Amino acid sequence: AQSVAQPEDQVNVAEGNPLTVKCTYSVSGNPYLFWYVQYPNRGLQFLLKYITGDNLVKGSYGFEAEFNKSQTSFHLKKPSALVSDSALYFCAGAADSNYQLIWGAGTKLIIKP
Amino acid sequence: KAGVTQTPRYLIKTRGQQVTLSCSPISGHRSVSWYQQTPGQGLQFLFEYFSETQRNKGNFPGRFSGRQFSNSRSEMNVSTLELGDSALYLCASSLAATNEKLFFGSGTQLSVL
Repeated sequence: AQSVAQPEDQVNVAEGNPLTVKCTYSVSGNPYLFWYVQYPNRGLQFLLKYITGDNLVKGSYGFEAEFNKSQTSFHLKKPSALVSDSALYFCAGAADSNYQLIWGAGTKLIIKP
Repeated sequence: KAGVTQTPRYLIKTRGQQVTLSCSPISGHRSVSWYQQTPGQGLQFLFEYFSETQRNKGNFPGRFSGRQFSNSRSEMNVSTLELGDSALYLCASSLAATNEKLFFGSGTQLSVL
């Protein structure tokens, strides 16, 4: 069965420090991988995607993610965290055969001043 | 360009009743998908429609149904409401069938008493 896992329910980072939110996947074929962010009381917003090409993908708000095929991972990163980055982050994946998105459970990111 | 619009924003129902939620996608988007979000279960996929056809369906009971109209607007219906149906229901639209970028609405918060 296909799956996307976010092993951390919550990640705490001090403002100005680098942050990483982890995601691993088990998707057949060539995976499509995504990160979405949900700010309090709002819908989800697209951050970035990996379809093909360069393994390092850059997205909105200074975020980037690295596709690692051997480790089946797609971790979200940012060099310097802002308090405003505090939100719920979802990783999602899809097989290129049916494009049905499979979602991780979400990781709550808390950036402390 | 208007975003994804979901109505109503809040809804309170009692057990046994039925409810219909509405979603208007971004103009030109032909794919609409529905999700249930709860604090304990995360983001659960309900179903996806593309050009009025249901493409994919999640693991929800038959009480949950949906449809898409020729103008791409979509509705989901939940019959015989249960307390456990209390959740935030999110709708997302996408330009292409590949779901490479979803645009989410703010959701309908359903409370079942």
